[in-house]
Amino acid sequence: DTEVTQTPKHLVMGMTNKKSLKCEQHMGHRAMYWYKQKAKKPPELMFVYSYEKLSINESVPSRFSPECPNSSLLNLHLHALQPEDSALYLCASSPIGADYGYTFGSGTRLTVV
Amino acid sequence: SQQGEEDPQALSIQEGENATMNCSYKTSINNLQWYRQNSGRGLVHLILIRSNEREKHSGRLRVTLDTSKKSSSLLITASRAADTASYFCATDARGSNYKLTFGKGTLLTVNP
Repeated sequence: DTEVTQTPKHLVMGMTNKKSLKCEQHMGHRAMYWYKQKAKKPPELMFVYSYEKLSINESVPSRFSPECPNSSLLNLHLHALQPEDSALYLCASSPIGADYGYTFGSGTRLTVV
Repeated sequence: SQQGEEDPQALSIQEGENATMNCSYKTSINNLQWYRQNSGRGLVHLILIRSNEREKHSGRLRVTLDTSKKSSSLLITASRAADTASYFCATDARGSNYKLTFGKGTLLTVNP
């Protein structure tokens, strides 16, 4: 299995809703990442997990809450989002160590109404 | 802040022509990577070049790296309509602890 699977592919949520994005990989990668991408912009790093521990939080608002329950799963819990949070949310994974490319999922297209 | 800056922002060529995209960055790096993204979906890793390498090939792709100028180029030879996509360079800065930072990207359109 050489894929990163993200669910759902599309999500529409209200500003008072609570929802979660899910990411799964079975490549044995011990580093996992969340990126946010707005239209016609590059991906921006949100969080990095290495060995299931949060190692980087790029000053992301607390309405985004990541979780890594095991080495194969990465979740992003969402609550009280704003319309400007609408974006493509990308999950990626890589082996630990230098000089590895990342494997990206196809993303979740989030719309906050 | 964005580490890489691609040039040009958009490039339109005919099928069969070569496409060259450039990337500049600001800090010392462990490696530089190129990714392709089709229609705002997931990114696909194309090629990685280490800081001690100057040139690398993979199929129709050729990447160069000049660390003295902090720049890289991606050449796609004999382009195809299927190569139409956005191309991003991404840098793994020294001491960044798995923080891959993407440039603004080049939108390549290959016309049949």
